[in-house]
Amino acid sequence: GESVGLHLPTLSVQEGDNSIINCAYSNSASDYFIWYKQESGKGPQFIIDIRSNMDKRQGQRVTVLLNKTVKHLSLQIAATQPGDSAVYFCAENMIQGAQKLVFGQGTRLTINP
Amino acid sequence: NAGVTQTPKFQVLKTGQSMTLQCAQDMNHEYMSWYRQDPGMGLRLIHYSVGAGITDQGEVPNGYNVSRSTTEDFPLRLLSAAPSQTSVYFCASSLYHLGLAGGPYNEQFFGPGTRLTVL
Repeated sequence: GESVGLHLPTLSVQEGDNSIINCAYSNSASDYFIWYKQESGKGPQFIIDIRSNMDKRQGQRVTVLLNKTVKHLSLQIAATQPGDSAVYFCAENMIQGAQKLVFGQGTRLTINP
Repeated sequence: NAGVTQTPKFQVLKTGQSMTLQCAQDMNHEYMSWYRQDPGMGLRLIHYSVGAGITDQGEVPNGYNVSRSTTEDFPLRLLSAAPSQTSVYFCASSLYHLGLAGGPYNEQFFGPGTRLTVL
């Protein structure tokens, strides 16, 4: 079975607000995590990644937080825009292994005007 | 660069038919993978390759075969299609970075997908 899951299947936020999407993982040996964005009818698109030796990593309007103690990952999107509407997936990987990404179920983010 | 391309975009098969889903990348990536995505689900790894001539099984390999004769191409074969194989199939490729500060370390580029229906 999947070792990565998401707390909420859907999330609605107002345009301009910040969004937080959560993810739980169960494989304590995973040492690399990735967030993907998937728009309708398209393949997943890389957003941001983080290694297990980090707690936080920031990109453009996005921040990923990793809490290894409780095996929790979150994606924060600042000032959400209509273009942020999509399904967001977290995925985990073991760096020492091959590219065996394990994906979570996904959270659908809807931006309300 | 065209990135990762997949053909066909849509396919309908009858149970028992065979077909090959094509995947190609022009980024000289070592790693290529096939995933399937069922409705409301995340992606599940079918097979992957770490380079030409090397392939291995992922999470859900049964019913699928792959080969990697060149760096660019990674076809996925269904030998005898079953309704349970109705899904959207994504191919991905990446360079695998280790130890590079700042990352990304394993950025996979996905193709647009092939929507397969097996009747």
